[in-house]
Amino acid sequence: DIVMTQSPDSLALSLGERATINCKSSQTVLYSSNNKNYLAWYQQKPGQPPKLLIYWASTRESGVPDRFSGSGSGTDFTLTISGLQAEDVAVYYCQQYYTTPHTFGQGTKVEIK
Amino acid sequence: QVQLQESGPGLVKPSQTLSLTCTVSGGSISSGSYYWSWIRQPAGKGLEWIGRIYTSGSTNYNPSLKSRVTISVDTSKNQFSLMLTSVTAADTAVYHCARGTVMASMDFWGRGTTVTVSS
Repeated sequence: DIVMTQSPDSLALSLGERATINCKSSQTVLYSSNNKNYLAWYQQKPGQPPKLLIYWASTRESGVPDRFSGSGSGTDFTLTISGLQAEDVAVYYCQQYYTTPHTFGQGTKVEIK
Repeated sequence: QVQLQESGPGLVKPSQTLSLTCTVSGGSISSGSYYWSWIRQPAGKGLEWIGRIYTSGSTNYNPSLKSRVTISVDTSKNQFSLMLTSVTAADTAVYHCARGTVMASMDFWGRGTTVTVSS
């Protein structure tokens, strides 16, 4: 199985600050034939199912605010929230869908300081 | 807009079989190049991918559960189902169903149903 490791486990920032969440996979999730990274980011608020934010490592899902951005390739990825809003308080998960089982990171909890 | 809704018993006894159904509305389960997944989440913990099925019937399961899991699809009812045998307390979790694509992973999720394994 591909192991996904996120850092940090939690972070607390002031409104308007930039949040950076890192995700590392134990092996590449870059598919060489199409040069796509099979890496997704999800946001989960309490009592709700996860919501897809980013796929292919950097493509925002329709309707997702542009303050959310994804970057990285191969085994190292980053989710950035530029200008943290109160509604962004949630747990964020990365997930690889390069190969089954589709494994998730352990989650990063984002709070307002 | 596609919607997914999980249903099934909220309480299952140890050693018995957990059975859940996901009903898809707002679109045909057979249309498009989608797969249909189950994911679970113990209270206060992270997400675990259980497995997926294509409407062709092709399946992939998490090896950690493979010997106990069966996912099936009923296109006539626009539903897919999960069976997990020989359950223990460790199977207590919120179970979500979701639609997936090769491109974007899982883009629509059900709200989840809580299953408790207890005598």
